[in-house]
Amino acid sequence: EVQLVESGGELVQPGGSLRLSCAASGFTFGDYRMSWVRQAPGKGLEWVADIRQGAGEKSYVNSVKGRFTISRDNAKNSMFLQMSSLRAEDSAVYFCARGISGSFDRWGQGTLVTVSS
Amino acid sequence: QSALTQPPSASGSPGQSVTISCTGTSSDVGGHNYVSWYQQNPGKAPKLLIYEVTKRPSGVPDRFSGSKSGNTASLTVSGLQAEDEADFYCCSYAGSNTYVFGTGTKVAVL
Repeated sequence: EVQLVESGGELVQPGGSLRLSCAASGFTFGDYRMSWVRQAPGKGLEWVADIRQGAGEKSYVNSVKGRFTISRDNAKNSMFLQMSSLRAEDSAVYFCARGISGSFDRWGQGTLVTVSS
Repeated sequence: QSALTQPPSASGSPGQSVTISCTGTSSDVGGHNYVSWYQQNPGKAPKLLIYEVTKRPSGVPDRFSGSKSGNTASLTVSGLQAEDEADFYCCSYAGSNTYVFGTGTKVAVL
């Protein structure tokens, strides 16, 4: 069974840093691109970042460029999101999602990031 | 990277059909055949309903169908059921390995 489990979300002060993790199981992790998608409380979905299978190509939504870094460790079936210079507007549930054919076919349950003083 | 435009809400009686539109630009919806649709229940992760504009993953009922014309994609839910009450989001590939979601539509079954 395909499983994606996010962790690392917590309360952090504005300007702070946080590292999210996504542990994958039930499929050949290295064969898939992976993304982070976030959802602010009561708001819609927002694609945040994407990383290709070989980890060579990474892409970001404009609002996080220069502050967030996506990475993956195919040997450990894991993906990460290093977030720095966090702002209140980064507060959201962050989902890990598996990518295929221009879509996201499997999702984790999400991890909550709250940026507040 | 502006969000795709969806109507905030849609509704229908059981057994009826409802269609949700998703309007973008020639850089996203109109320029690629990578439009997908997701259903999200409160407090849950989104679920893929449609990919590549019209394709359904295994296990998704054929009551859900997708289409596209120009810069606008659409999701039709036929034979509405109470369990279809949820939030629905479109998503499009926007070039350069980036993606953009729609603003979301809350579907009510009357």
